[in-house]
Amino acid sequence: EPEVTQTPSHQVTQMGQEVILRCVPISNHLYFYWYRQILGQKVEFLVSFYNNEISEKSEIFDDQFSVERPDGSNFTLKIRSTKLEDSAMYFCASSRDRALFPYFGPGTRLTVT
Amino acid sequence: ELKVEQNPLFLSMQEGKNYTIYCNYSTTSDRLYWYRQDPGKSLESLFVLLSNGAVKQEGRLMASLDTKARLSTLHITAAVHDLSATYFCAVDIREYGNKLVFGAGTILRVKS
Repeated sequence: EPEVTQTPSHQVTQMGQEVILRCVPISNHLYFYWYRQILGQKVEFLVSFYNNEISEKSEIFDDQFSVERPDGSNFTLKIRSTKLEDSAMYFCASSRDRALFPYFGPGTRLTVT
Repeated sequence: ELKVEQNPLFLSMQEGKNYTIYCNYSTTSDRLYWYRQDPGKSLESLFVLLSNGAVKQEGRLMASLDTKARLSTLHITAAVHDLSATYFCAVDIREYGNKLVFGAGTILRVKS
């Protein structure tokens, strides 16, 4: 069964450093998302992406964040200058249609020290 | 601002018992999802409910949606230990371009 994959599974970085989280969505999916979950808290929407542009972003997704689909398969989330409060599990998700539910990847645990 | 409230937030139950998790939301939506999350793992899709009165069942879990009451329930029948996990409901705000707003999650522990 096709699945969303994410790399790395765990990333440790120092405050102020840039990180790129990578995702490979399911191949025939057209809608891509990033969500995050701070430890022990609820899952929060960050951004949705369709047709090579952001379709919606939350207030969490400020100028420090960016997303890109650099080729036909990868979908990346970049955090330019990480803060301690960026420590969380970051989930990538994709869906074939906006009317269908998103499939979530296994997540990347980001630890900012 | 849309609010999605789940209760209870923590549920400890004996094997073999029945219980219901409730998910209330504060605005109109025609799409509600239930996900399961095991510790340290991703979100596994359980159910998508698309219309008022929708009912879906899989094994010992049954989900329903009442859009008029803005309420979804996840009913657990004759719980078994393997159902121990965190269960999230999520509401899709389609008018804002397709994003999910999650509830806080219900931690379910089934004791043998």
